[in-house]
Amino acid sequence: KNEVEQSPQNLTAQEGEFITINCSYSVGISALHWLQQHPGGGIVSLFMLSSGKKKHGRLIATINIQEKHSSLHITASHPRDSAVYICAVDSYDPRLTFGEGTQLTVNP
Amino acid sequence: GAGVSQSPSNKVTEKGKDVELRCDPISGHTALYWYRQRLGQGLEFLIYFQGNSAPDKSGLPSDRFSAERTGESVSTLTIQRTQQEDSAVYLCASSGSAGANVLTFGAGSRLTVL
Repeated sequence: KNEVEQSPQNLTAQEGEFITINCSYSVGISALHWLQQHPGGGIVSLFMLSSGKKKHGRLIATINIQEKHSSLHITASHPRDSAVYICAVDSYDPRLTFGEGTQLTVNP
Repeated sequence: GAGVSQSPSNKVTEKGKDVELRCDPISGHTALYWYRQRLGQGLEFLIYFQGNSAPDKSGLPSDRFSAERTGESVSTLTIQRTQQEDSAVYLCASSGSAGANVLTFGAGSRLTVL
């Protein structure tokens, strides 16, 4: 069993839909990262959070430390949101542990 | 610079040759990471540097891989006697310090070993 599991692995949505990507982990953590990787490989850090909720534009990330679970939400999805979304945890180990990623495709 | 710079962006080499990949982190970032991403796979940790501490080399897959960092600046990842399985995108990231800090990734160096 991986220490970090994401679901779903693949997600296809229509433009405008509300999207949720989930991340569950099995270790104690100091922080959780959500990353976005576009075709072509570039990785962008979306959020780093250790408690509660963060919002940036149409993106919202939440974390429940007790349940060892985080969600990434995208409101009013757009085709440009199509990317791989990666959850990574800092389990007091700077190397980070990565989930396998969720491939999101938003169709116009 | 404003971001993490990696070079070359693309490298095609013949099996058995040595390659050097360079990472220029954000100025002032004390932590620097190298990751490898094979086609269709997730990120694989290779090595990380934190300030002047000894690097964590636990992710290096073989003794053909080595990395250096000069102080808190440029890092070089060297792969000797390249093999086809070394073909991947090599990503560098830096952060203000190790642990619980936002990572900034470079665009990666795509290595193809023929």
